[in-house]
Amino acid sequence: AQSVTQLDSQVPVFEEAPVELRCNYSSSVSVYLFWYVQYPNQGLQLLLKYLSGSTLVKGINGFEAEFNKSQTSFHLRKPSVHISDTAEYFCAVSAGGTSYGKLTFGQGTILTVHP
Amino acid sequence: SAVISQKPSRDICQRGTSLTIQCQVDSQVTMMFWYRQQPGQSLTLIATANQGSEATYESGFVIDKFPISRPNLTFSTLTVSNMSPEDSSIYLCSVPPGTGGLTTEAFFGQGTRLTVV
Repeated sequence: AQSVTQLDSQVPVFEEAPVELRCNYSSSVSVYLFWYVQYPNQGLQLLLKYLSGSTLVKGINGFEAEFNKSQTSFHLRKPSVHISDTAEYFCAVSAGGTSYGKLTFGQGTILTVHP
Repeated sequence: SAVISQKPSRDICQRGTSLTIQCQVDSQVTMMFWYRQQPGQSLTLIATANQGSEATYESGFVIDKFPISRPNLTFSTLTVSNMSPEDSSIYLCSVPPGTGGLTTEAFFGQGTRLTVV
C-alpha cells in the first residue's frame, strides 16, 4: 500500500515569488508520482509525472518537480508564480502492474497567489 | 490520451433516492476507476471497474451502496444508492491511458457534483 503526505495544507505567496509545495510518499514498491492541479469548480489536470530516469521533471505552466528517492519526496516548484496559479494542488502515487492507475492522493495544498 | 465524458455534471437529489452516474471513454480501456471527493477533501478511490467481472471495492465502500456496471470497454456507471447528505461529493471516473508499453498518467472526467438534501 502507498500513502502520500502533503506537508502544507495552505501556501500563500505573492505574485512573481517562487513557491515550493511539499510532498512525501511511502511505499513498499516502486511507484509512479504525479502532481495534479484543480482550479475552483473544475476537474483535475495533470501538471507533471515521474516514471523513471531524470529525477527533475518539467511539467506544464512552468512547474517542475524533483524526485528524491532517499527522502521519498516529490516536491513541486515554480520560480515565479502568477495570480492564475491560485488553485489546489494534489500529489498522487500509483504502483505498477495490476495496480497501475489506482491513485493514492495526498490531502491537497491550496496555493493562493496574492497581487 | 483518452477523452472522458461524465454525466450528469451536477445534480441535487433527495435523501433516500439513488443517482446513476455515467462515464463514457472514447477508446477501449481495460480498467476504469471511480473516485469520490468529499467537500474540502482529497480524492479517495471507491472501486475499480473491470469489464466482464465484478468491480473491486476499496476498504470502506460496498457494492450495495455503490453498485457499478461495466457493460463494455468504453462505458461504466456508478450508482449512489439510498443517498444521505453525507454522500454529497464530487464523483469522478478515471482511466489509465494507452494500451501496452509503459502507461503513465490517469485521466479524469470532469466529475459529477452531487448534493443530497
